[in-house]
Amino acid sequence: AQSVTQLDSQVPVFEEAPVELRCNYSSSVSVYLFWYVQYPNQGLQLLLKYLSGSTLVKGINGFEAEFNKSQTSFHLRKPSVHISDTAEYFCAVSVLYNFNKFYFGSGTKLNVKP
Amino acid sequence: DVKVTQSSRYLVKRTGEKVFLECVQDMDHENMFWYRQDPGLGLRLIYFSYDVKMKEKGDIPEGYSVSREKKERFSLILESASTNQTSMYLCASSLGRGGQPQHFGDGTRLSIL
Repeated sequence: AQSVTQLDSQVPVFEEAPVELRCNYSSSVSVYLFWYVQYPNQGLQLLLKYLSGSTLVKGINGFEAEFNKSQTSFHLRKPSVHISDTAEYFCAVSVLYNFNKFYFGSGTKLNVKP
Repeated sequence: DVKVTQSSRYLVKRTGEKVFLECVQDMDHENMFWYRQDPGLGLRLIYFSYDVKMKEKGDIPEGYSVSREKKERFSLILESASTNQTSMYLCASSLGRGGQPQHFGDGTRLSIL
């Protein structure tokens, strides 16, 4: 079975500071990894995905994430955050041959302060 | 761009009512999903469908049913609404192959009084 853990439920950070949102997963098979962002009263929007190849993936809005197979992690980073990055962020995994079912973490609320 | 449209943004119903939530996607996706989202619990899968008239239970199917008569439309049905079904409901769709992103609607915030 697959599971996803986002250790930080809330992350406060000042504008223009760097941020890292942590995601760890467990799976007995190879996984595909995703980060989504949810702004208030909206659905989820894809930030980036890792399918294979280079372990560093770049996404929209200046975000990037690094896949670490030995650590079973897929942490999300941004070198300098903006007020507009205030949102909730979800990590998700899926596996091959499983109807593209996703397993989501419980989310991390990023609060960017001026 | 993929568009997933949920019929209502906000809905208020009474205990015991039969409630229908509708979702339509415009990209000919094979898979469609219904989730509920509650604070601190993330997204939990209620049901999904991988083809017309095909459905599979997710992690929390109790009290819900679904219908997929056409490829583009996936309906979630609360047979007899209860207050513990007050939540945000999110619909998503994706291509059938593994590794494809899911595309989400804007959600329906459902209140059961």
